[in-house]
Amino acid sequence: NAGVTQTPKFQVLKTGQSMTLQCAQDMNHNSMYWYRQDPGMGLRLIYYSASEGTTDKGEVPNGYNVSRLNKREFSLRLESAAPSQTSVYFCASRTGTSEKDTQYFGPGTRLLVL
Amino acid sequence: AQSVAQPEDQVNVAEGNPLTVKCTYSVSGNPYLFWYVQYPNRGLQFLLKYITGDNLVKGSYGFEAEFNKSQTSFHLKKPSALVSDSALYFCAVRRPDNLFFGTGTRLTVIP
Repeated sequence: NAGVTQTPKFQVLKTGQSMTLQCAQDMNHNSMYWYRQDPGMGLRLIYYSASEGTTDKGEVPNGYNVSRLNKREFSLRLESAAPSQTSVYFCASRTGTSEKDTQYFGPGTRLLVL
Repeated sequence: AQSVAQPEDQVNVAEGNPLTVKCTYSVSGNPYLFWYVQYPNRGLQFLLKYITGDNLVKGSYGFEAEFNKSQTSFHLKKPSALVSDSALYFCAVRRPDNLFFGTGTRLTVIP
């Protein structure tokens, strides 16, 4: 049981390049999330998917798109990367059937945009 | 909207001493509160949560947290700090579809 996995671990992009961050979970969770972590700002929600086939914007969605490919996988795409998107990105999942559920996090993707 | 605040960016404590990492919350209705820890270059690991019931919640690695409704606080505690407890700690509160995180407190345990 690997939990939540993310690829790649680290990526360097040039301004304007695109890339997709991959996330998968093997816990049969319904809800999945993408956060970004910046110094002094905690974690901020980019997008989430409450269930397979649905996605919703979070606090900071501009410049990102997501795809809930199936119940296991939730990808985050940067169409045209900007230096302001330099951050550490975390994927998370939870059962989603109750507000009491715990969210479990992946190891993160460190992204540097030059 | 539900929110939490962590008033201290940095907490230093000597090894063997008790530690406290502070968190205050602002919610309407019943609060569901969480603590996570992040070790260097790692993801967030769940420590404990308060849903209802006993105000003292016990979690992983010997940590516990005290829910105080009158002071709207949910402080993380440990009776005796270890050097290996040095990490970044986040308090969070449940919103309808996600978690809202505090800005984090860096705990350094000094040998």
